[in-house]
Amino acid sequence: EAGVAQSPRYKIIEKRQSVAFWCNPISGHATLYWYQQILGQGPKLLIQFQNNGVVDDSQLPKDRFSAERLKGVDSTLKIQPAKLEDSAVYLCASSLRRVQETQYFGPGTRLLVL
Amino acid sequence: AQSVTQPDIHITVSEGASLELRCNYSYGATPYLFWYVQSPGQGLQLLLKYFSGDTLVQGIKGFEAEFKRSQSSFNLRKPSVHWSDAAEYFCAVGQGAQKLVFGQGTRLTINP
Repeated sequence: EAGVAQSPRYKIIEKRQSVAFWCNPISGHATLYWYQQILGQGPKLLIQFQNNGVVDDSQLPKDRFSAERLKGVDSTLKIQPAKLEDSAVYLCASSLRRVQETQYFGPGTRLLVL
Repeated sequence: AQSVTQPDIHITVSEGASLELRCNYSYGATPYLFWYVQSPGQGLQLLLKYFSGDTLVQGIKGFEAEFKRSQSSFNLRKPSVHWSDAAEYFCAVGQGAQKLVFGQGTRLTINP
């Protein structure tokens, strides 16, 4: 079966610009996650969707980050405006239903903010 | 607060030697535990997981891990490492419906 797809793989922007990332989860997976992984750290959950509803966005900087999952399939994560500290790898993952189940990760999008 | 600690930031072992990567957590009840591996430029791949039952779990690529409730640990082991095992390893812990919390990772280097 196809894995989690993400695009773009790399993005370089200047601070205060906007950027968007796209994720296509494994077919049939109801739960989708966006993680931020800063260099030298483990992934940190930004937002979790169950179908197209938000389950947890407690660590999402809502003044600049937004995410949506239309029709319960694909998802986009947007940053506007970007700050230097947003430089990180953004990982998308999906699981069949619940957070207790195995999460399957995409390759990530590496963002550099100059 | 719930936390996951991987005490070793970087470990170097010789090819063919045994390996143990440490993971400690602080959670109130029995958590569910994962080990993931991340190769450079790649996403995370699941090595093994523990939810309940036998405390020694077998994973892919010859890895195993043991859940020790009394020590709040879930250490990853491999009897003989291969050069292809060089990567970053993450322990992740969750409880109930709460989100997974990842450790900061251990970078593994293999000497030929």
